[in-house]
Amino acid sequence: AQKITQTQPGMFVQEKEAVTLDCTYDTSDQSYGLFWYKQPSSGEMIFLIYQGSYDEQNATEGRYSLNFQKARKSANLVISASQLGDSAMYFCAMREGYNAGNMLTFGGGTRLMVKP
Amino acid sequence: DVKVTQSSRYLVKRTGEKVFLECVQDMDHENMFWYRQDPGLGLRLIYFSYDVKMKEKGDIPEGYSVSREKKERFSLILESASTNQTSMYLCASSRTITDTQYFGPGTRLTVL
Repeated sequence: AQKITQTQPGMFVQEKEAVTLDCTYDTSDQSYGLFWYKQPSSGEMIFLIYQGSYDEQNATEGRYSLNFQKARKSANLVISASQLGDSAMYFCAMREGYNAGNMLTFGGGTRLMVKP
Repeated sequence: DVKVTQSSRYLVKRTGEKVFLECVQDMDHENMFWYRQDPGLGLRLIYFSYDVKMKEKGDIPEGYSVSREKKERFSLILESASTNQTSMYLCASSRTITDTQYFGPGTRLTVL
């Protein structure tokens, strides 16, 4: 079974509007971490935001927030006030436990396109 | 700022050639990783290293080897490149096992 599922291969959003990118995960670990990365056309993976499984509050970083619903095993990324520069691939990833290597499992990604 | 660099952005090689992909990080990170990225499959871990000369297999190590002789440098080696190794290769590093991974710009490898 897929550990990280991103069900939206592509999405459009109008500039200045908010958008939610979906991510569901599957783990039996109690301790895990969830990450979102942005990959523009240049190819570099840019870290956006992190949520630990024990964090009680949803993580926020500027225009990015993570809607963490532990019981539903979802960790959706919300981008407020979209900008043209937000057009990119977005990947959700999970680190399970604290085993050596900090291995991340990535979802298949969502391509976000911001319309002017 | 964390800086992870990769030796080439684009590389074209022929089937059977030996290929070296180099990755360097300047933040004294313990952990380094090699991933490949293919459309629809996200990123898949090939190998990682948690210390100099230490390495562990990831999810798809077949056809690859790695070398970490110095803390800042992690090399991915394709002993005999094949067309199914055409892909984007991304290197990452992290300070500790629980820290965020920071990525390099990627190397797009084409094997003809």
